[in-house]
Amino acid sequence: ETGVTQSPTHLIKTRGQQVTLRCSSQSGHNTVSWYQQALGQGPQFIFQYYREEENGRGNFPPRFSGLQFPNYSSELNVNALELDDSALYLCASSLRGRNEQYFGPGTRLTVT
Amino acid sequence: QQQVKQSPQSLIVQKGGISIINCAYENTAFDYFPWYQQFPGKGPALLIAIRPDVSEKKEGRFTISFNKSAKQFSLHIMDSQPGDSATYFCAASRRGSTLGRLYFGRGTQLTVWP
Repeated sequence: ETGVTQSPTHLIKTRGQQVTLRCSSQSGHNTVSWYQQALGQGPQFIFQYYREEENGRGNFPPRFSGLQFPNYSSELNVNALELDDSALYLCASSLRGRNEQYFGPGTRLTVT
Repeated sequence: QQQVKQSPQSLIVQKGGISIINCAYENTAFDYFPWYQQFPGKGPALLIAIRPDVSEKKEGRFTISFNKSAKQFSLHIMDSQPGDSATYFCAASRRGSTLGRLYFGRGTQLTVWP
């Protein structure tokens, strides 16, 4: 069974740029959630995808957007990067109807 | 508003001792309470979880105690080991339009001294 994978591991971007982060869900899981974890904080929910559609969003602006593909993998896109976007971005996969969420290793984004 | 409040922020325990981390919540609609363990540079790993229909769940050295009336739950790590040194997060989720959205506490950094 393959776990959740994310790419890239680290990323450095300049303020105002755009970034795309990728996630492959655990085998058999059809739901993907994205979280932002600032340094020293707990993860904060960004949004969730199921059947290629956004299924709920946390308190994040529209410049945070996502996609889910037929193979259940997902992308997180962030436009007009701000310094406060520097964080660890986590992807979690789950099976619809089940509570258990399994996290990937994350992508460390630094905005300068 | 923090939906799940966690304490203490940091904890130092001697090897072989008991580590106790506490969490409290307000939303009575929460019906799933997991604990995650996170090592530096890694994603959170699901450790153990409980539902409000039971008061305690034990898996190896890890036990969750749940007090529904007080809206509190805690993680107990028995016979703590240096390898347990990590950051622990409690979380909660509820059924609804966004199934399984997790609300996390701020985390507890546990250090176990040999």
